[in-house]
Amino acid sequence: DTGVSQDPRHKITKRGQNVTFRCDPISEHNRLYWYRQTLGQGPEFLTYFQNEAQLEKSRLLSDRFSAERPKGSFSTLEIQRTEQGDSAMYLCASSPRDGLNEKLFFGSGTQLSVL
Amino acid sequence: AQKVTQAQTEISVVEKEDVTLDCVYETRDTTYYLFWYKQPPSGELVFLIRRNSFDEQNEISGRYSWNFQKSTSSFNFTITASQVVDSAVYFCALIQGAQKLVFGQGTRLTINP
Repeated sequence: DTGVSQDPRHKITKRGQNVTFRCDPISEHNRLYWYRQTLGQGPEFLTYFQNEAQLEKSRLLSDRFSAERPKGSFSTLEIQRTEQGDSAMYLCASSPRDGLNEKLFFGSGTQLSVL
Repeated sequence: AQKVTQAQTEISVVEKEDVTLDCVYETRDTTYYLFWYKQPPSGELVFLIRRNSFDEQNEISGRYSWNFQKSTSSFNFTITASQVVDSAVYFCALIQGAQKLVFGQGTRLTINP
């Protein structure tokens, strides 16, 4: 069990550029989540997948954001035409089952800075 | 709507002191789960505890203890005999319905040697 892995750890980009982040969940975890955390705040839910199906998206996820989990394993989060307000830590988490009370295992996040 | 409030933004204590982190939550559901996570400087959120809304027993795990009081919608976390390694940001969170954690703003805890 190697934990949830996120790549890259840091990304600096210019406004208007596209960026893509990758998340590798713990093997055989069928739920995968994306959260966004800004400085001094708690993480905010963005979206989650059960296997390859994207089941819910937050209103925070504008149409510039898209997430995929094509084979029910790793996931990517793409932000198009980045804006300075997108600067944040993007956290990925996975959980092993579908129960309401399952704890989430988090990765170390991708820190995005939009200049 | 669900909401979690951690009124203490920052706490600083000297090593070996006891410290309590407050958490107050709002939800209209009767079935929900409460969590505490620790976020060290590395950034990874580390699970500490999970409680369901039907179990109000307090819990102790080593130097950590949790006090769940449904009557006041609080789920406070106490560290006894704090250590420098306890320095981190601590988040209280609520889950209900679809499995989305709703986090509080976090409390930055600094333990000084």
